[in-house]
Amino acid sequence: AQKITQTQPGMFVQEKEAVTLDCTYDTSDQSYGLFWYKQPSSGEMIFLIYQGSYDEQNATEGRYSLNFQKARKSANLVISASQLGDSAMYFCAMREFSGTYKYIFGTGTRLKVLA
Amino acid sequence: DSGVTQTPKHLITATGQRVTLRCSPRSGDLSVYWYQQSLDQGLQFLIQYYNGEERAKGNILERFSAQQFPDLHSELNLSSLELGDSALYFCASSAQTARGGYTFGSGTRLTVV
Repeated sequence: AQKITQTQPGMFVQEKEAVTLDCTYDTSDQSYGLFWYKQPSSGEMIFLIYQGSYDEQNATEGRYSLNFQKARKSANLVISASQLGDSAMYFCAMREFSGTYKYIFGTGTRLKVLA
Repeated sequence: DSGVTQTPKHLITATGQRVTLRCSPRSGDLSVYWYQQSLDQGLQFLIQYYNGEERAKGNILERFSAQQFPDLHSELNLSSLELGDSALYFCASSAQTARGGYTFGSGTRLTVV
């Protein structure tokens, strides 16, 4: 069965430093996608980055990169040069591309960037 | 503005009542998803529609139902409301391709008193 695990309920990082948010997943599908979303205190959900299971290179989007280790079933989000505005809840999600196509989300990691 | 419109933004109602949450997907998106986010349970997938048809079902209670109309807007109906139904309800839409992720609406905060 699909499962997403985020083991860090909360993290602190100093402004301008890099931070890694952990995500591990479980699936029996060969074809799937991994996503990260940001939820600021205002409540909206913002899509950050996507990694396909067949993508050979790690995804990058500006200051966000996804450290994809398929054999370990991990998809960690790396935020470089943290900014105060990065303080938010971050969710890892997975979608299988067969069967139900539904997304599942992890429980989230609350990141606080310190000035 | 993400392009996904949810109404109302806030809703306060009493136990036992019935409410309808509405979602208009981003232009061109055929899929609509509903999620419930409560403090103790994170984001729970409820149901997905694709071009008017139910595509996938998650942890949706029998008291809850949804539909997607020909104009692609969707409604989530919650009935016999209980205190535990208080949550933020998100609608999201997606394009055919999976790479773009979901586009979420701003959510409807439901408070059952």
